[in-house]
Amino acid sequence: EVQLVESGGGLVQPGGSLRLSCAASGLTFTNYAMSWVRRAPGEGLEWVSLISGSGGDTYYADSVKGRFIISRDNSKNTLSLQMNSLRGEDTAVYYCAKVIYGSGTRFDSWGQGTLVTVSS
Amino acid sequence: EIVLTQSPGTLSLSPGERATLSCRASRSVSSSSLAWYQQRPGQAPRVLIYSTSSRATGIPARFSGSGSGTDFTLTISRLEPEDFAVYYCQQYGDSRWTFGQGTEVEIK
Repeated sequence: EVQLVESGGGLVQPGGSLRLSCAASGLTFTNYAMSWVRRAPGEGLEWVSLISGSGGDTYYADSVKGRFIISRDNSKNTLSLQMNSLRGEDTAVYYCAKVIYGSGTRFDSWGQGTLVTVSS
Repeated sequence: EIVLTQSPGTLSLSPGERATLSCRASRSVSSSSLAWYQQRPGQAPRVLIYSTSSRATGIPARFSGSGSGTDFTLTISRLEPEDFAVYYCQQYGDSRWTFGQGTEVEIK
């Protein structure tokens, strides 16, 4: 069974930085692209970023491009999201998710999420 | 960027009734890239349907998906108490993933 466990959320001031992590188990981690998806209070789901299985390709939503950096350590089965220049609108629950391509593109496993609050 | 618009925003129904949720894309979407998710309060989302009409592992047969081009539908044939939740459609294209704004299915 795939397990994804996020950590690193918390309260941060506008302009500050935070690093989220996602520990993965129950899968051959390097075989899968991974993604971050967030849900702001009272809002819907928003895709944030994606990284290929090798880590060589990364993609970002326009709302975070230039401020967030996605990375992975395949030797430790860990996904990370470095968030810089944080804004109030980045306040959300952040989920990591395993990506399936090809036979129906989708996010097929999700963590429980970690809450990021950007406020002074 | 493709925009997905879901309707209605809220659907008020009773257990045992049929739910029909709509997802309209701003331009044509590949059927293989259209998925539906359910999110219950306090829980992570979970995939219900992928490739427009394929049920994910463990998803009951009362959930079905259909559509093509720009118009897609999620149908719940008979609502169970655990089905009252928020539902999202999602598409992938051009290295971008987008979600609809969600439809809340609430108990009438």
